Amino acid sequence: KAGVTQTPRYLIKTRGQQVTLSCSPISGHRSVSWYQQTPGQGLQFLFEYFSETQRNKGNFPGRFSGRQFSNSRSEMNVSTLELGDSALYLCASSLAGFQGAGDTQYFGPGTRLTVL
Amino acid sequence: AQRVTQPEKLLSVFKGAPVELKCNYSYSGSPELFWYVQYSRQRLQLLLRHISRESIKGFTADLNKGETSFHLKKPFAQEEDSAMYYCALFGSGGSNYKLTFGKGTLLTVNP
Repeated sequence: KAGVTQTPRYLIKTRGQQVTLSCSPISGHRSVSWYQQTPGQGLQFLFEYFSETQRNKGNFPGRFSGRQFSNSRSEMNVSTLELGDSALYLCASSLAGFQGAGDTQYFGPGTRLTVL
Repeated sequence: AQRVTQPEKLLSVFKGAPVELKCNYSYSGSPELFWYVQYSRQRLQLLLRHISRESIKGFTADLNKGETSFHLKKPFAQEEDSAMYYCALFGSGGSNYKLTFGKGTLLTVNP
């Protein structure tokens, strides 16, 4: 099975711009979750989508949003970029996602976003 | 609120020595705990999870609810165990579920 893919792998933006990142899950996985990884804060959960609906979310401002399509592919959007948004953004997919005992997450390679 | 603490940023041991990576958590309910690992130039991947009680690559982890810990152990470290290790807690705050990671421990196994 092909793994989780993320595009683009690297991105440079300037403050105030917006950005959209894409994640294609493993075939058959209906849950996609997003994470921000920074040296200071580590890995932080952003949100989880399941069957095109945002099912769970972390503690990030509304500038961070996402969506999921009928083929389970997901996009994450960050509006009005700030310098502090520079990070590695990871997505992960799983069969059942954030319910029950929690499903194993399969991670993508990440998108490195630099905000200048 | 749920929190995961990995007190050691760096841990260095010699090949063949025992290794223990510490993980403490704070959570009001019954936690589901995981260890994820990231080898050099590879993706983050699951190493083991509490609920399956498996031993993966010789690693084990026992949930100690009294001490709120989920330490990862291996009796004889190998050089290929060198990697970044993350402890993670899956839990809910009301109806909202989250996966909370510790900040990770970089394990180096020296020859």
